[in-house]
Amino acid sequence: DAGVIQSPRHEVTEMGQEVTLRCKPISGHDYLFWYRQTMMRGLELLIYFNNNVPIDDSGMPEDRFSAKMPNASFSTLKIQPSEPRDSAVYFCASSPDRGRQPQHFGDGTRLSIL
Amino acid sequence: GESVGLHLPTLSVQEGDNSIINCAYSNSASDYFIWYKQESGKGPQFIIDIRSNMDKRQGQRVTVLLNKTVKHLSLQIAATQPGDSAVYFCAENGANAGGTSYGKLTFGQGTILTVHP
Repeated sequence: DAGVIQSPRHEVTEMGQEVTLRCKPISGHDYLFWYRQTMMRGLELLIYFNNNVPIDDSGMPEDRFSAKMPNASFSTLKIQPSEPRDSAVYFCASSPDRGRQPQHFGDGTRLSIL
Repeated sequence: GESVGLHLPTLSVQEGDNSIINCAYSNSASDYFIWYKQESGKGPQFIIDIRSNMDKRQGQRVTVLLNKTVKHLSLQIAATQPGDSAVYFCAENGANAGGTSYGKLTFGQGTILTVHP
């Protein structure tokens, strides 16, 4: 079975540009999570969705970040405008259950903002 | 200037030895715990989980122990192999005193495991 699929795997862009990260969760998983991983802060939850509806976005750093889930098989995380401090690895994960089943992670998008 | 990052605990073992990775969690009401393995350039990979009504669970070559009294979790890897070299994370699913799940995982900082042939 296909796991969580993220694209692109790597993104390098100049500050001020819009960045869009994409995620396809595992089919049948009702929960989708976006994380950011940095050396400074480790793995942080940004936002999560249940049945395509955002449930908790308290981890979203600021208004430059937005996430959508237009349907059960696709989600985006957008940064506009991007800044060098946004450089990190962004992971998407999905789960069939809220908090009592393992989340399954994609291989991430390594984002570098110059 | 020099950047300061997380200083992850490290564990170095010889191939064939048993490894024990420890984790302290923060929320006494947490009811579900997971261990993940993360290799370079990849996302965290599920290893094993345990619910708070258990104190031990075994998988293939791995065992997770949960001590709720001291809020401590450990991962034991038997006959460690070079392919086990990775960063290992524990994660807890928090809940409030009434048992309602927060629905999201909080990850530890991770432990770097290095296995020498």
